[in-house]
Amino acid sequence: GEDVEQSLFLSVREGDSSVINCTYTDSSSTYLYWYKQEPGAGLQLLTYIFSNMDMKQDQRLTVLLNKKDKHLSLRIADTQTGDSAIYFCAESSDGNNRKLIWGLGTSLAVNP
Amino acid sequence: DARVTQTPRHKVTEMGQEVTMRCQPILGHNTVFWYRQTMMQGLELLAYFRNRAPLDDSGMPKDRFSAEMPDATLATLKIQPSEPRDSAVYFCASGHITETQYFGPGTRLLVL
Repeated sequence: GEDVEQSLFLSVREGDSSVINCTYTDSSSTYLYWYKQEPGAGLQLLTYIFSNMDMKQDQRLTVLLNKKDKHLSLRIADTQTGDSAIYFCAESSDGNNRKLIWGLGTSLAVNP
Repeated sequence: DARVTQTPRHKVTEMGQEVTMRCQPILGHNTVFWYRQTMMQGLELLAYFRNRAPLDDSGMPKDRFSAEMPDATLATLKIQPSEPRDSAVYFCASGHITETQYFGPGTRLLVL
């Protein structure tokens, strides 16, 4: 079945760039998503990319999509302590039913 | 600022008791999802609805869990009887045209 994989942990220094990686298996995905979960909170949509794009930039966030390798990345420029959270990658497995397949999340720790 | 709301935010109960969690999706959204999040299993899809009809509840233990949408503004998730292994954070999310899902703040359930 469909699967989404992410590394579990990432630690960076404040001010550096963070790159969170994700691989997926479903080649028919229409959208790919990045969600952020802060401690004790729900998941917040950060950004998404349509499968016919290879890059999307939104302020400090850059999403890169390599469809051939089924690889998605999220780059956070000038990482701040407020960016410390768990970041989930998700891909749409069935456009009609709008069901998402989720990774386990990458816990980003930003050190001052 | 439209948001998904969930009640209660926290629930502590004893094993064997009935638990009812409620969700109000964003007005106009026609798809509602119930997720469970634990440290061990990550984010699991329990059930989801489109236009109030259940599309998939294969992720839900049928013997004790039930999910309904009495109307377009209310979704419920019930556990009867509850067990300690049901302790988790339960999230509701809603969506509309695209696969983008908007999450509520979650119900933190502890079954003693």
